[in-house]
Amino acid sequence: EVQLVESGGGLVKPGGSLRLSCAASGFTLSIYNMNWVRQAPGKGLEWVSYISSTSNYIHYADSVKGRFTISRDNAKNSLYLQMNSLRAEDTAVYYCAPRTFDYWGQGTLVTVSS
Amino acid sequence: QAVVTQEPSLTVSPGGTVTLTCGSSTGAVTNGHYPYWFQQKPGQVPRTLIYDTSNKQSWTPARFSGSLLGDKAALTLSGAQPEDEAEYYCLLSYSGARWVFGGGTKLTVL
Repeated sequence: EVQLVESGGGLVKPGGSLRLSCAASGFTLSIYNMNWVRQAPGKGLEWVSYISSTSNYIHYADSVKGRFTISRDNAKNSLYLQMNSLRAEDTAVYYCAPRTFDYWGQGTLVTVSS
Repeated sequence: QAVVTQEPSLTVSPGGTVTLTCGSSTGAVTNGHYPYWFQQKPGQVPRTLIYDTSNKQSWTPARFSGSLLGDKAALTLSGAQPEDEAEYYCLLSYSGARWVFGGGTKLTVL
């Protein structure tokens, strides 16, 4: 059974940093291009970032460019999102999903508040 | 960054047919945007119904279909069921690996 498990969320002050992780089981994450998607409370889905399987290609939404960094460790079957200079508007549940968007974890909640 | 537009809300009668659409601020939606459609029910994780315009996942009920309709992507639900009441999101690809979600359509089955 495929499982994607996001972790690392929590409460952080504006301007602070968090590092999210996405661990995969039953799923060889290393061969897949991966995405981060977020959903603010009561709002719609927003694509955040993409990374190719070999990390050669990386893309960000304009809303996070220059503040967030996506990375991966294929040896650990894991995906990461380093989030710096966090703002209140970054408050959301963050999901990892492969390029095909056919598997989603339960997400991890990031709350940016003073 | 492109803006993807969807109807904010639609209502369909049980057993009826409804079409949700997905437009792009950059022009016509094409197969090159690899349109996706997701269903999300309250408290649940989104799940993919349609990918690459018209392909269904193994779990997609047969009553859902995807297509291009004019200059938009479309999701058609034929024979709506009460359990189809949900939020529906489309997703379009720009320049290969940059994605933009639509704002979502709240579908009511009434």
